[in-house]
Amino acid sequence: AQKITQTQPGMFVQEKEAVTLDCTYDTSDQSYGLFWYKQPSSGEMIFLIYQGSYDEQNATEGRYSLNFQKARKSANLVISASQLGDSAMYFCAMREGLSGNTPLVFGKGTRLSVIA
Amino acid sequence: EPEVTQTPSHQVTQMGQEVILRCVPISNHLYFYWYRQILGQKVEFLVSFYNNEISEKSEIFDDQFSVERPDGSNFTLKIRSTKLEDSAMYFCASSPGLEQYFGPGTRLTVT
Repeated sequence: AQKITQTQPGMFVQEKEAVTLDCTYDTSDQSYGLFWYKQPSSGEMIFLIYQGSYDEQNATEGRYSLNFQKARKSANLVISASQLGDSAMYFCAMREGLSGNTPLVFGKGTRLSVIA
Repeated sequence: EPEVTQTPSHQVTQMGQEVILRCVPISNHLYFYWYRQILGQKVEFLVSFYNNEISEKSEIFDDQFSVERPDGSNFTLKIRSTKLEDSAMYFCASSPGLEQYFGPGTRLTVT
């Protein structure tokens, strides 16, 4: 069974608009972390934002925020005021347990295209 | 700002040859990882490394793979006898505990 599901293979957004990228996860652990990474066409993986399962407030980092709905097991990424440079693949990932050893499990990604 | 570095950026090798991919993690990080991404697919975990030993490995990480931290800075992934299906982007990552920071990747092409 998929642990991370990203149902949107591709999304388009107008420059300066906000966009939400969906992510649902599946775990029976109480302690886990959720991550979003950006992969531009150059290929590197850029860490964007992290949400811990015990965090009561939604994480925010600049124009990125994570809409964490624990009961629904969703961790959607919201990008506000989209810029052309936001065009990239976006991956949601989860780590079960909060020890440093546990690996990230990634979703299949969403390709975001920002239109001028 | 410190970052994870990887060399080489591209490696082309013939089937059956050994390759060593190199990584320099962020200096005060304790946990190290290798992931791979076959073209057009999602990122897959290979192995994690802590306190000079493997912590966890995936099914992909079979006897053909090995990792080493030969000195205080480098972290290497060796593929003993490459196969065509080993062609992928290989990412090294390091972590102080929670978030993982990825290097720019090594694109391995096996011909």
